[in-house]
Amino acid sequence: NAGVMQNPRHLVRRRGQEARLRCSPMKGHSHVYWYRQLPEEGLKFMVYLQKENIIDESGMPKERFSAEFPKEGPSILRIQQVVRGDSAAYFCASSSNRVGTEAFFGQGTRLTVV
Amino acid sequence: EDKVVQSPLSLVVHEGDTVTLNCSYEVTNFRSLLWYKQEKKAPTFLFMLTSSGIEKKSGRLSSILDKKELFSILNITATQTGDSAIYLCAVELDGGKLIFGQGTELSVKP
Repeated sequence: NAGVMQNPRHLVRRRGQEARLRCSPMKGHSHVYWYRQLPEEGLKFMVYLQKENIIDESGMPKERFSAEFPKEGPSILRIQQVVRGDSAAYFCASSSNRVGTEAFFGQGTRLTVV
Repeated sequence: EDKVVQSPLSLVVHEGDTVTLNCSYEVTNFRSLLWYKQEKKAPTFLFMLTSSGIEKKSGRLSSILDKKELFSILNITATQTGDSAIYLCAVELDGGKLIFGQGTELSVKP
């Protein structure tokens, strides 16, 4: 079991470009969560997805950010027209969401906007 | 608003010391409380607590939950330099969403 896989591990974008972050959940997991960790802050929930559905996007900024989890392939967190304030570590977690099971985290993608 | 607060925010101890990390919470729809250890990479799972008063142990680490007083503690005995990390407390809500505390940064000196 390869665990939760995120890529790329590091991503550098210029202001105004688009950033695409990928997350492949653990085998057998159909629930994906994205979190953002800003410097000197804790992990903040962004969005919760199941296959082809957004369940809770209460933590997503209203503009420029979107997420999907298609039937086939990884979950994608997309940030359009990036700004310096988007620089952060973005973590993905997956779970089977059976009661009593924990979420497992990927290694994260460190986004730097220059 | 759902809230998880950890204390202290940072802690410096010497090898062999025992430390206690605190986590208090105010949330609706509590499902479980989790502790993670974060070094320079992904948070790694330590414990999941769902019931009050039942201590969970893993080697030198142990944790307990009090659902009446809404807090949990994480104990580390005989600390080692390899225990240096940020320890994150998170409350899982119904639906699976995790609310994290700010973390406690533990530094263990030789």
